[in-house]
Amino acid sequence: ETGVTQTPRHLVMGMTNKKSLKCEQHLGHNAMYWYKQSAKKPLELMFVYNFKEQTENNSVPSRFSPECPNSSHLFLHLHTLQPEDSALYLCASSQDNGQGYNEQFFGPGTRLTVL
Amino acid sequence: GDSVTQMEGPVTLSEEAFLTINCTYTATGYPSLFWYVQYPGEGLQLLLKATKADDKGSNKGFEATYRKETTSFHLEKGSVQVSDSAVYFCALIRVGDSWGKLQFGAGTQVVVTP
Repeated sequence: ETGVTQTPRHLVMGMTNKKSLKCEQHLGHNAMYWYKQSAKKPLELMFVYNFKEQTENNSVPSRFSPECPNSSHLFLHLHTLQPEDSALYLCASSQDNGQGYNEQFFGPGTRLTVL
Repeated sequence: GDSVTQMEGPVTLSEEAFLTINCTYTATGYPSLFWYVQYPGEGLQLLLKATKADDKGSNKGFEATYRKETTSFHLEKGSVQVSDSAVYFCALIRVGDSWGKLQFGAGTQVVVTP
């Protein structure tokens, strides 16, 4: 059990739909991350949140919109996606122990298919 | 910039064989090093870690030693099982990174046959 949950586990949506991915961590961590994992491509860091401040946006298209209402929850809002956005979206969390960050713990991922 | 290089897969081997997956890194200072494993249809799980030179991480029969002189963190297991079939990722966190960002290698798929 990783302590990081993601819902839904599978999502199929049309290009005009709006949906949201949810991540919740039960580990008391103070940082959360969104990654995109596509077939035959390296893991891509999309967003980082620490203490509710969005700190990273690796040139992610605006059709992806993150939200971090508190240190335990992270959302990824999706709208007008493209078929190439189909991928496994992974959420992770970690803890800054004052001397640096510990390892990240990952959720099981949401398998997204855009038709 | 920081980078992690892993041997390309897939690596196919028979049950009870010896497994080695090479990993080398480029980073400023002494990063923390990790191996993650991803089983089919699942997220990433931390397999082991090492945070300073000469540390050895170990878990579930897997081992890796932080080698500063060769900037390497090779993963080894003496006798693999079919259940070890997965994708293995080497990763680092740079010292002083403000957000604990992981730099991943491309991943190495391991296939163990009975």
